[in-house]
This record gives sequence, C-alpha cells and structure tokens, in this order.
Amino acid sequence: GENVEQHPSTLSVQEGDSAVIKCTYSDSASNYFPWYKQELGKRPQLIIDIRSNVGEKKDQRIAVTLNKTAKHFSLHITETQPEDSAVYFCAARGSNYKLTFGKGTLLTVNP
Amino acid sequence: KAGVTQTPRYLIKTRGQQVTLSCSPISGHRSVSWYQQTPGQGLQFLFEYFSETQRNKGNFPGRFSGRQFSNSRSEMNVSTLELGDSALYLCASSPGQGAETQYFGPGTRLLVL
Repeated sequence: GENVEQHPSTLSVQEGDSAVIKCTYSDSASNYFPWYKQELGKRPQLIIDIRSNVGEKKDQRIAVTLNKTAKHFSLHITETQPEDSAVYFCAARGSNYKLTFGKGTLLTVNP
Repeated sequence: KAGVTQTPRYLIKTRGQQVTLSCSPISGHRSVSWYQQTPGQGLQFLFEYFSETQRNKGNFPGRFSGRQFSNSRSEMNVSTLELGDSALYLCASSPGQGAETQYFGPGTRLLVL
C-alpha cells in the first residue's frame, strides 16, 4: 500500500520567516495530495490540495509543489505568523483510493 | 452549511466493553470515512462508506466495524475494547467517494481503562 513520509517532525521558526515541510510517497499512481492543519484540540482542516496534473498551487501565503518524478511534495508557508503554529499533515491518495497521512509536523512560530 | 458533527465527544470505557460512535456528515455529502488518530501513529484510515456500502477498508481488526444509513449518517462500532484502542476517532465527509476532498468532524476521544 501507500507509504507517506513527512519531514521534519518538528519545526521552529521566527515570525516572518518561511517554513517548508516535505513529504514523499511510494505509490506512483497517487493523484491527490491534500494538506491539513490541526491546532491543539481542534479538528484537522484542509488548507490546500494539489492534483497530479498540476506542479504548483498557491493560496496567499501558502503554496504546495509536487514533483511526480521524485514522488515528493512540499508545503511552503511564507511570512509566518504565530497563528500558523499547529501540526501540519500531508496526505496522498493512492491507487486504492485511500488517503494515507504523514505523521505530522509540529510547527512553532516564535513571536 | 453546518459542518461534520460527531457524538459523543468524549467516552471512557473499560477493557472488554464495546462502543458506538456517531458521525453526521455535511448536508449533501454521501461519503463518510473514519480515522483513528494516536500520537504515535498519526491518522490511520479505518474505512469509508458511500451510499450505505463500505467502499474501502484499512488494516484494522474485525473488532472495528461500521455502517451508514440512508441519510448518510454513519456509526462506528468497536467491540471487545483494548487499552490500545484509546485514541481520537475522526470522521470525515466528502461529496463523492474515493477519498476526495474531505472535511473532518471534531472527533470522539475514547479512553479505555
């Protein structure tokens, strides 16, 4: 089945800096890659997603890039703010139509 | 539209008991997926229901089961509870099947003593 590796597991940045979280996947037929943000005690919330026919997608300060050849995708957050502090999960939908999640990255933005 | 709701929000059970969790999807969404979230394993897929049929299943023992009703509401049942079943159980709804864009509920936190 699909295997998704996510790095780093923790990331600490200063307010205003950029943050990058990387994921790799194993199923070359994976075609949908969402990113979720989960604040402490809250539900995961979809923040951005990308499909396999697109290389990059941007939404204000958030962008996701996909490299199908290398089977990796990344989340980029620019001009980080304290409210960006949360756990971020990447996921990949494989050929079995299941979403497999990475183990999460705890992002801390220091004021 | 109202979001995904789950009941109960918290549960304490003892080993050997069984538990039923409920999930109401966003109005118009026909797919409900269930996930187990633990600190060590992250989010793990349990199963997906669409149009009252289980469409996909994760690698969990048969003690974990579910069903979906004609109004798309879904229930998940865990029998013969074990300590390791302590987790946050999340359901997610989407308009169509096959793990398309999913919207999560707040979860049910289950503690097994």
